[in-house]
Parts: sequence; structure tokens; C-alpha cells
Amino acid sequence: DTAVSQTPKYLVTQMGNDKSIKCEQNLGHDTMYWYKQDSKKFLKIMFSYNNKELIINETVPNRFSPKSPDKAHLNLHINSLELGDSAVYFCASSQARRGRNTGELFFGEGSRLTVL
Amino acid sequence: AQSVAQPEDQVNVAEGNPLTVKCTYSVSGNPYLFWYVQYPNRGLQFLLKYITGDNLVKGSYGFEAEFNKSQTSFHLKKPSALVSDSALYFCAVREGNSGYSTLTFGKGTMLLVSP
Repeated sequence: DTAVSQTPKYLVTQMGNDKSIKCEQNLGHDTMYWYKQDSKKFLKIMFSYNNKELIINETVPNRFSPKSPDKAHLNLHINSLELGDSAVYFCASSQARRGRNTGELFFGEGSRLTVL
Repeated sequence: AQSVAQPEDQVNVAEGNPLTVKCTYSVSGNPYLFWYVQYPNRGLQFLLKYITGDNLVKGSYGFEAEFNKSQTSFHLKKPSALVSDSALYFCAVREGNSGYSTLTFGKGTMLLVSP
């Protein structure tokens, strides 16, 4: 019973296309994230949502648009894909307590995007 | 701004020997510190965290870490390494006084345990 699940696991597409990655968590957490891991394994926060509200947007190009239909889901849509978008995208979730985010993040298995 | 430094790209250790993976951090307020492990083609798995209290934190798979405020360090340790511990290890920090601050990761340290 996967806690944080992402689909698809692999995505190969041409430059200029639009693609989406979906994420769902069944942990009952109220905060979800998208992280990008590049070819050197650097992990960088992209977005964070708390109870469907965008709270962190880390200077990501506006070709990237997250959407959270409810607090268990956070999807990532990418328009006009570029070569530099090739990376592994990780979804994660955590639980804030009394307004403080002390909890650890639970990560999905990642979605490897390759732009040709 | 908060940051994490993992000074070693790779740590090599023989099975059965103790291991240490180093991490130092910079944060304006109280630090919340975390260690994660990533196996090939997998997501990150939580190992342990320091929020407050005892400076020595014990976590999963026999790992522990010691919070040292004066040296701003949070090194990961294990008394006896296993070949199966070989993986990529990430240290991460969050500023504790901010409600929804992000978790900032170090660049990762590859641990290789030889038989």
C-alpha cells in the first residue's frame, strides 16, 4: 500500500510538448511538495502546497504549473518542454503540527522525465 | 538563507568498520535537521531527525547522528557498516521558527561499503 505514489514513473517526450505528472498520498498529510533532482543528484524544491494552497514557489519558470485538487493530490503540468527539464521529479508529503512543519518528508519513487 | 554542506562526494568503508558521513548546516534560527538515504532509482527514505532534546539521535537501520550546535554539524554515524548500506545519503535542514519553511538538501554523499 504505497504512501506517496507518482505516475508515470518514466516519461520520454519531444521538446515543445506538454506533459503532466500526477501524485497522490494516502498518509493524511496536509502539505505536499514537488522537488527536482538533476543529473548530479542535486535536489531542489519547486513548489509546496498546504491544504490545497500554494505556499512555496521557488523561482520556477511559469511553464511549470502545479495543481492541487484536494490535499491528497498534487499534480505537475509542464508546458513547452525544454531539454533542461530532463530530470527526476519527486513528489513528497509531510504533516504540519500547530503551524510548524517539524515532520519528515515522505517521498514518492520519482518520475524520470527525458526530453529529446 | 539556509544551507547544508556535505564536504565528501564519496565515503569508502569496509564492512564491519564504523562509518561517518559529514554534514554542516547554516540557518538563521533553530535548525530542524534530517538525514535521508536514496537507493538507485528509488525515492528518498527518511533515516532520522533532530528537532530538539538529546543531541544524539537514533534512527532506522542502526544509524545515529549527533547534533553539535557549536560546530553547526549533524554527522551521520553507524558503528558497523553493512554492504547493503551502500547508497546516496542526504543531509537536510529546515529553519525551525518558520511555519512552512522549505527543507534544503545537501548535495549528497555516496557511501560505498566494500565486503
